[in-house]
Amino acid sequence: AQSVTQPDIHITVSEGASLELRCNYSYGATPYLFWYVQSPGQGLQLLLKYFSGDTLVQGIKGFEAEFKRSQSSFNLRKPSVHWSDAAEYFCAVGLGLSGTYKYIFGTGTRLKVLA
Amino acid sequence: EPEVTQTPSHQVTQMGQEVILRCVPISNHLYFYWYRQILGQKVEFLVSFYNNEISEKSEIFDDQFSVERPDGSNFTLKIRSTKLEDSAMYFCASSGEGAADTQYFGPGTRLTVL
Repeated sequence: AQSVTQPDIHITVSEGASLELRCNYSYGATPYLFWYVQSPGQGLQLLLKYFSGDTLVQGIKGFEAEFKRSQSSFNLRKPSVHWSDAAEYFCAVGLGLSGTYKYIFGTGTRLKVLA
Repeated sequence: EPEVTQTPSHQVTQMGQEVILRCVPISNHLYFYWYRQILGQKVEFLVSFYNNEISEKSEIFDDQFSVERPDGSNFTLKIRSTKLEDSAMYFCASSGEGAADTQYFGPGTRLTVL
């Protein structure tokens, strides 16, 4: 069955440090891949997406992610974290079935930023 | 920038009562979705809707759930007889002309069943 794994439930980094959030997926073909961010009490905001083409994609707020087919991974990175980046981050896979796409989400990684 | 809106932001109901959660998708979108997130857990797909009918539904979406697009702008999720385990954040999403287009999520409705 299709699945998305985010192995890190919690990550703590210092402000200004670099960040990498891991995401692995299980799917027979190349899926559509997404990263969303959820601030406390808020909805899901799209950070970036990969459909095809260049495997390094740029998103909002200085985030980027790299699709690695050989590793079935789509890790999210940011070179310098800001205190406002503290939130929960969800990786998702878009699966096309029956003419529409549903998203399968990972369990999320909660990011804490130390001042 | 267009956005998906949802009302109410928080709904408290008694077990066994019916609730209707409302969503206004982005105006030119054609594909609509409901997801839910039980507190502390991941976001789960409930149902997708296109051309006035359900395209796909998950195992969670049983006979107690229904969706409707009553007019050209609203998209609703009805839970006929709520259970304690229905307590969750419910997210509406919509996507554009292509089924594979990015889904844009609303801010969610927190449903609390007592």
